[in-house]
Amino acid sequence: DTAVSQTPKYLVTQMGNDKSIKCEQNLGHDTMYWYKQDSKKFLKIMFSYNNKELIINETVPNRFSPKSPDKAHLNLHINSLELGDSAVYFCASINVGTSGGETQYFGPGTRLLVL
Amino acid sequence: AQTVTQSQPEMSVQEAETVTLSCTYDTSENNYYLFWYKQPPSRQMILVIRQEAYKQQNATENRFSVNFQKAAKSFSLKISDSQLGDTAMYFCAFMKQGGSEKLVFGKGTKLTVNP
Repeated sequence: DTAVSQTPKYLVTQMGNDKSIKCEQNLGHDTMYWYKQDSKKFLKIMFSYNNKELIINETVPNRFSPKSPDKAHLNLHINSLELGDSAVYFCASINVGTSGGETQYFGPGTRLLVL
Repeated sequence: AQTVTQSQPEMSVQEAETVTLSCTYDTSENNYYLFWYKQPPSRQMILVIRQEAYKQQNATENRFSVNFQKAAKSFSLKISDSQLGDTAMYFCAFMKQGGSEKLVFGKGTKLTVNP
């Protein structure tokens, strides 16, 4: 009964490769996010989608392309991976407008290591 | 733009004692939410407590309570009767009230509970 799940949990790859991370939530939420946590543990927003529509795109290189096939799924595709892309990527979701319910719930994170 | 500052990179406390983690924020918004998230070594982001800015009463969740000072833009977390399982990174976060808003995080405080 996992609320927000991500696959894979770990990803080790070579520079220049293309990879995808998947996120699914079974909470019935309408908004999903991608956050990046760098090596110093700093968390920063990358993207958000509301009902499959891109809402936030926060100065992320265009090698990163999010896709939301439906409101329960948000994927992140990264082209031409660079060393600096090594980080933990978190997916989160929220139900916007729910009285008292505006809390973001996070997935377990995907640790990406680019060699 | 909103900013969140956690001035204590690391703290330690003895088991069963009380510890307070500091957080200040800067915003021109009047309606917003504040959160404390815990990230143990497992990497999972866990909601500890949440405060709505329009509520004067400080939020409490079992051993966790906050001191919310809206005018001073301060939001500290008090952990009572500290337990070994409280050892984690703690992140203070801000979110504007409204649709599909992002979380803005502080840099985190690493808390160690010593036996």
